Amino acid sequence: ETGVTQTPRHLVMGMTNKKSLKCEQHLGHNAMYWYKQSAKKPLELMFVYNFKEQTENNSVPSRFSPECPNSSHLFLHLHTLQPEDSALYLCASSQDKGITYEQYFGPGTRLTVT
Amino acid sequence: QQPVQSPQAVILREGEDAVINCSSSKALYSVHWYRQKHGEAPVFLMILLKGGEQKGHEKISASFNEKKQQSSLYLTASQLSYSGTYFCGTGVVASYDKVIFGPGTSLSVIP
Repeated sequence: ETGVTQTPRHLVMGMTNKKSLKCEQHLGHNAMYWYKQSAKKPLELMFVYNFKEQTENNSVPSRFSPECPNSSHLFLHLHTLQPEDSALYLCASSQDKGITYEQYFGPGTRLTVT
Repeated sequence: QQPVQSPQAVILREGEDAVINCSSSKALYSVHWYRQKHGEAPVFLMILLKGGEQKGHEKISASFNEKKQQSSLYLTASQLSYSGTYFCGTGVVASYDKVIFGPGTSLSVIP
């Protein structure tokens, strides 16, 4: 248990559906991240939030929409996804943003787009 | 720029040692190491900062050679619990906010 929880753990959705992924961290961290992990590919950074403000959008398609209402919660809203968006979506947090802070990952949401 | 990891995969018998390498084409400020077991979240192992320091964590240690822009993770007297995929993440001097992860090294420890 890393102190970062994600729900749901598994999600199957059609290309026309709208769904949301939720992440919560209980570590008192200021920075939160969304990563995409596809088979045979490295972790891809999607978004970074620090003190609720988005500081990084790594050229992510607009069908992925993040929301960070406070430093403990992070959402990823999904709309009109494509089959190639099927992947494991990982949330992480760190004390602060930056390359000197370790990140704590949640267990991920396994997303399948049909 | 994504770091390069080698080897891609390694199989060890219990008690054997392994070295996993991570290298970058860019000047590094930090190197992170994580282990991910199948179906689980990546777990932080250690972070090394510019200065070439070596760190240890039980029987797992790592070095960071900033001149060569590379890091090595050393696993000694491997245990079954060491099995998993090891990722390095690099922090580049010019990109202060972003840690870029390598493709991972799959390590399997067998009895």
